[in-house]
Formats: sequence, structure tokens, C-alpha cells
Amino acid sequence: GAVVSQHPSWVICKSGTSVKIECRSLDFQATTMFWYRQFPKQSLMLMATSNEGSKATYEQGVEKDKFLINHASLTLSTLTVTSAHPEDSSFYICSAANSGGTDTQYFGPGTRLTVL
Amino acid sequence: GDSVTQMEGPVTLSEEAFLTINCTYTATGYPSLFWYVQYPGEGLQLLLKATKADDKGSNKGFEATYRKETTSFHLEKGSVQVSDSAVYFCALSALSGNTPLVFGKGTRLSVIA
Repeated sequence: GAVVSQHPSWVICKSGTSVKIECRSLDFQATTMFWYRQFPKQSLMLMATSNEGSKATYEQGVEKDKFLINHASLTLSTLTVTSAHPEDSSFYICSAANSGGTDTQYFGPGTRLTVL
Repeated sequence: GDSVTQMEGPVTLSEEAFLTINCTYTATGYPSLFWYVQYPGEGLQLLLKATKADDKGSNKGFEATYRKETTSFHLEKGSVQVSDSAVYFCALSALSGNTPLVFGKGTRLSVIA
């Protein structure tokens, strides 16, 4: 089946630093990638939709200047948390959908970010 | 907007018990419906899906039937195992795979031997 990887799987950083999270589709081309955020014991909340070669579409309440998303190729999307603060600590999950028109999205394993 | 409501957890069952996790949805049109499972420390995995009314998704002994009349997609398993302990998410997708999923809040299942 389709595999989506994320790197790093966990990261601890100091407040004020920036962190980049990569999401890769390993064996298929992902025309669309989604970034979700999951707080402890809660559901996934969509942050943004990323289409290859175009600007990401952010959900209401998500700061686009703080959460920079780049989808430069059909197999890679990156999320950069700029000037991270402790309240940004969360589990960030990406998913990828191919262009085949299927209803299935494939999820990465997630990245746990802890900001001290 | 579209939404998914699933039963509150946690749910604790003994091994070999019958499992039902209720899920209802609100959506315009005819969404596709999914159950995802998240094992401890892991990412989400697709468990099963159904794309149209009366479809039954099944996998690993789990089943769910797309009921348009009751806007429901309840997850069932006849005999749970300890290895089924996880968080289960019901989700819908309004259009194709290129639209984001709307998730329920998740139901934590613990199965004890």
C-alpha cells in the first residue's frame, strides 16, 4: 500500500526557534497533502491543504505566517513552525492524496513537537 | 458545515466481547465514510471505508455499514482482542480524496484479558 513518511518523528526545541517537518509520499505522487494537528486525547484538526506548485489554503484561525507550508514537488511537503512557543507543542500529522480520484488519504506517522 | 459525532470514550471491554462504536454524520451530498485506527505511539491507519449508501466496509473482523437513512456508520466487531486496544476515529470526506477529512473526536478502546 501507499506509504507516507514524516521526518522527524519527534523534536524538542527552545522557544523562539523554527522547526521544519517533512512529509513524503514514498511510492506515489501526491497532488494534495493535508496538515493536521492533534492535541492530546483530541481529534485531528485540519490546519491547511497543500497543492503541489501552489500556495497552501489555511483553515480559519491558523496563522499562515507562523505555519509555513511548501509543496514543491509531488512527493514532498514541508511544514515550518516559525518562532515556536510552548503552545505550539502538539502532534503534527500529514496526509497525502494522489491524483487517481480515490477517496483514500494516506497518513504519515506524525511528528511530536515539544517546545520548551 | 460537515461534522462527525462519535460516542465518547473510553470504552473498556473484556477480550472476546462484542464492540460497537457509534458514529453519526452531518454532510451535504453523499460523503465517503471512514474508520481510522491509531495504535499507541503510531500514526493513523485506514481501517475500513464505504463510499455509498448501504456499502459495508470490513477489515480485520471490523465492519461498518453506510446508513444514509440514519446518517450513521457504526463500527462493530464480534470478538475483540487485546491487540485491538487503540483510538478509533470516524471520518468523512465530502468529495474526492483531494478534499480534507472531517474527523470525529475519537474513541479510546481498551481491551483487557
